[in-house]
Amino acid sequence: EVQLVESGGGLVQPGGSLRLSCAASGFTFSSYAMHWVRQAPGKGLEYVSAISSNGGSTYYANSVKGRFTISRDNSKNTLYLQMGSLRAEDMAVYYCARLSRGWYDYWGQGTLVTVSS
Amino acid sequence: EIVLTQSPATLSLSPGERATLSCRASQSVSSYLAWYQQKPGQAPRLLIYDASNRATGIPARFSGSGSGTDFTLTISSLEPEDFAVYYCQQRSNWPTFGPGTKVDIK
Repeated sequence: EVQLVESGGGLVQPGGSLRLSCAASGFTFSSYAMHWVRQAPGKGLEYVSAISSNGGSTYYANSVKGRFTISRDNSKNTLYLQMGSLRAEDMAVYYCARLSRGWYDYWGQGTLVTVSS
Repeated sequence: EIVLTQSPATLSLSPGERATLSCRASQSVSSYLAWYQQKPGQAPRLLIYDASNRATGIPARFSGSGSGTDFTLTISSLEPEDFAVYYCQQRSNWPTFGPGTKVDIK
């Protein structure tokens, strides 16, 4: 069974940093590109960042470029999102999602990031 | 950036009725469009990909159609578990999502 389990969310002050993790199981993690998608409270879905299967290529939404870094450790079947210079507008549930044939076929349960002083 | 618009914002229907949801793209996305269902407190679930293909395990009452800029998700006969928010998503450039259509019980 495919499972994606996020962790690392929590309360952080504006300007602070946080690292999210997504532990994958039930599939060959190193064969799939992975994405982070977020959802602000009561709002819609927003693509955040993507990484290729071998980690060689990374992509970011303009809203997080220069502040967030996506990475992966295929030996640990884990995806990461290092978030810095956090702003109020970054507050959201962050989902990791597997990309298959161009679409998000599996999602984690999400981890909540709260940015507040 | 390709902008997706969904209509209506809310659709109030009864179980057994037919639901028709629309998604319009600001420019052509060919058939690169998907539909997701999201229930409160849950992650989205892939329903339809490439405009008209049902994802694994999705019931036949869900169908998708369209190409270019205009797309439709149809639920032929609403089951109680279908009341949720539905998002469309394109992947022609970087992924973008529509604002969602909430299907609630009339």
